[in-house]
Amino acid sequence: NAGVTQTPKFQVLKTGQSMTLQCAQDMNHEYMSWYRQDPGMGLRLIHYSVGAGITDQGEVPNGYNVSRSTTEDFPLRLLSAAPSQTSVYFCASSYQSRGVDGELFFGEGSRLTVL
Amino acid sequence: QQQVKQSPQSLIVQKGGISIINCAYENTAFDYFPWYQQFPGKGPALLIAIRPDVSEKKEGRFTISFNKSAKQFSLHIMDSQPGDSATYFCAASSNAGNMLTFGGGTRLMVKP
Repeated sequence: NAGVTQTPKFQVLKTGQSMTLQCAQDMNHEYMSWYRQDPGMGLRLIHYSVGAGITDQGEVPNGYNVSRSTTEDFPLRLLSAAPSQTSVYFCASSYQSRGVDGELFFGEGSRLTVL
Repeated sequence: QQQVKQSPQSLIVQKGGISIINCAYENTAFDYFPWYQQFPGKGPALLIAIRPDVSEKKEGRFTISFNKSAKQFSLHIMDSQPGDSATYFCAASSNAGNMLTFGGGTRLMVKP
């Protein structure tokens, strides 16, 4: 099994550009989420989804959009990139459909630099 | 404002020593407390987790101690090895919610 697959692994953007980070999982997990990791800040939740067609905001949603048209895919869109969005982004999934009291499976991350 | 505060930010331990990482939380609704381990260039992976109905959980060299009244929990790594060098994150969640809240992380280095 591939688990959670994120693409691209590295991306450089200019301020104002838009892009989509892709996330796919092959474990039939209902719950999927996006985190950003910044030094000293830990992992902060951007958006999450508890099933196809259902999404909700996390701690730091501004500047990001998500959609969940299938169980497998959960793309993260940056609408107009800003230097403050320079970070490492992680997608994670869990079999739990409600609550997060089970194991989260993470992808290997996407490192984004906004100039 | 971080709901889960983790300390220290970095830790250096000699091989064979004990590594201790502490976390404190404010939200009394939290009822699940996992620890994640992250190696460079990889995503975090679940290491061990505890629920508040027990005060301690041990898995091999890794132990979580939980103090509900103080709203604190800690990770102890016994007989620390160079292979344990990684970043460790504590986290917490509530069964009523859909978010796992992470601490700021601790970078552990175990010297040979």
